[in-house]
Amino acid sequence: GIQVEQSPPDLILQEGANSTLRCNFSDSVNNLQWFHQNPWGQLINLFYIPSGTKQNGRLSATTVATERYSLLYISSSQTTDSGVYFCAVDYGNNRLAFGKGNQVVVIP
Amino acid sequence: DSGVTQTPKHLITATGQRVTLRCSPRSGDLSVYWYQQSLDQGLQFLIQYYNGEERAKGNILERFSAQQFPDLHSELNLSSLELGDSALYFCASSVGGPGNEQFFGPGTRLTVL
Repeated sequence: GIQVEQSPPDLILQEGANSTLRCNFSDSVNNLQWFHQNPWGQLINLFYIPSGTKQNGRLSATTVATERYSLLYISSSQTTDSGVYFCAVDYGNNRLAFGKGNQVVVIP
Repeated sequence: DSGVTQTPKHLITATGQRVTLRCSPRSGDLSVYWYQQSLDQGLQFLIQYYNGEERAKGNILERFSAQQFPDLHSELNLSSLELGDSALYFCASSVGGPGNEQFFGPGTRLTVL
């Protein structure tokens, strides 16, 4: 099956710092989504980004489908950015395969 | 709030029992998906329904079954529960076409004792 790898697995940031999370996938995909799982377990949609670049406030994402990777940028991080970030790819019939996540801790 | 609702939020039961998890999709969405999140397996796709019909299957155990009703809500039935079934179960929904964005409910946390 398709492999989805996220790096780095763990990241500690000082408030105000910038960071980049990476998602590599092993096969062509129909769709790619980024999620933030907050401490209460909720999965919050960040980006629906099968290709190209999108921005939403302090977050932006880029997917290069031909090279099978996606990047999530967090700028001027805040403590509320803490949590786990998941990359998920649609590998056919709308089935999402998730990576193991990037655990991000932002300290004040 | 994604617009996807799930009940109950928490469920505690014993091994060997059967439980039913319920999901209502966002208004207008025809597809419903079930996912399981556990510590050892991570987030895994279980099954998808589109307008009442099963559309795709993933790593769903024989002891688990699901259905989607005419009003588009869905239920996931888990039977002969084992300790390893303890997990967070998510329902997601989408409009239904290929590659559509999926929106997740708050999840049901199942604990099997």
